[in-house]
Amino acid sequence: KNQVEQSPQSLIILEGKNCTLQCNYTVSPFSNLRWYKQDTGRGPVSLTIMTFSENTKSNGRYTATLDADTKQSSLHITASQLSDSASYICVVQGAAGNKLTFGGGTRVLVKP
Amino acid sequence: DAGVIQSPRHEVTEMGQEVTLRCKPISGHNSLFWYRQTMMRGLELLIYFNNNVPIDDSGMPEDRFSAKMPNASFSTLKIQPSEPRDSAVYFCASRLTSEQETQYFGPGTRLLVL
Repeated sequence: KNQVEQSPQSLIILEGKNCTLQCNYTVSPFSNLRWYKQDTGRGPVSLTIMTFSENTKSNGRYTATLDADTKQSSLHITASQLSDSASYICVVQGAAGNKLTFGGGTRVLVKP
Repeated sequence: DAGVIQSPRHEVTEMGQEVTLRCKPISGHNSLFWYRQTMMRGLELLIYFNNNVPIDDSGMPEDRFSAKMPNASFSTLKIQPSEPRDSAVYFCASRLTSEQETQYFGPGTRLLVL
């Protein structure tokens, strides 16, 4: 069964600190992996999308990594800001049938 | 561009009533997706359309749910009859046809069925 597991479930960090979110998946065959940011009360917004051949991709202070061999991805937030408080969702698209499998998300709270 | 537009933003209804959620995708986007999000189950894909044609509706929970896309600029998701367990936030998203393209989500419709 295709699964996407994210950890931790929630995270509290101080403003200015870095943090790393993890995503492990079992989706196979694999097409791409996406990270979304979802602010409270809003729809998800795409941060990065990576295909099989990409190891890292950045979007401002957000850097995603992908290890397709171990089926692991991480999202690193550098110099966190209060506006980074949100849920971060890892989504994996399979190559067969284009199915999307969603992780449960990591809720990040940045405190001043 | 105004982005993906959804209406209503909030809906409160009684069990057994019909509920219709509406979505206007971004102009020029060929694919449209309906999602449901709950605390327990997270985000779930219900159905998606390519060029107004339903491609995969395997996520639709049961026959009470139906979705239509009569033209490239409008889609509806209907629940009839609604049940309390349908309470959730329903998102519509659109993208260009290529599966590598980014999906753009609407603000969602928060549905509460009493």
